[in-house]
Amino acid sequence: TQLLEQSPQFLSIQEGENLTVYCNSSSVFSSLQWYRQEPGEGPVLLVTVVTGGEVKKLKRLTFQFGDARKDSSLHITAAQPGDTGLYLCAGATGNQFYFGTGTSLTVIP
Amino acid sequence: KAGVTQTPRYLIKTRGQQVTLSCSPISGHRSVSWYQQTPGQGLQFLFEYFSETQRNKGNFPGRFSGRQFSNSRSEMNVSTLELGDSALYLCASSLVPGEWNEQFFGPGTRLTVL
Repeated sequence: TQLLEQSPQFLSIQEGENLTVYCNSSSVFSSLQWYRQEPGEGPVLLVTVVTGGEVKKLKRLTFQFGDARKDSSLHITAAQPGDTGLYLCAGATGNQFYFGTGTSLTVIP
Repeated sequence: KAGVTQTPRYLIKTRGQQVTLSCSPISGHRSVSWYQQTPGQGLQFLFEYFSETQRNKGNFPGRFSGRQFSNSRSEMNVSTLELGDSALYLCASSLVPGEWNEQFFGPGTRLTVL
């Protein structure tokens, strides 16, 4: 059972375009994390959001936690080829992390 | 400092065999978690160890087991391998357990069951 659904599953865009990835659930999480995973490597933590409605910015990446702490979004402005990778959201509840289904992003130069 | 290391990086086994995977956490980290990653199911939590004790367990059959040693190194074992066990097995370490502590992932062990 997947607690967290991500959309879209695949995304291929041109360099310079903007994009948004969504992470949705019917469950409430005490915190939510976003990771990026590159081929042959483990996921690397990008950000943790803990408060409903919280917005965090990391250079060209903007993360938002839903007011009800059930969903989150990741917005990338002016995507670059270096942003290519698998983006994963992970919600924490009951001392355990539940990972989303993943969004595979390809940024074409 | 060195990151999380996992050995071996690649493994090929046949159905019915058993396998042991190893994880060395970042120095000073005492919590180790294991995850299974497959294209169909994504990343799923297997178990978490802290101070040589299993602290949390995911929804996997008893064929999947693990342990942690006094130096915080951890191993996971899968017995009676099935084709569906083919996956990337990831280990993550953190200073202590808890969702507020950042997890650092290793590169994973790619297991193929034939």
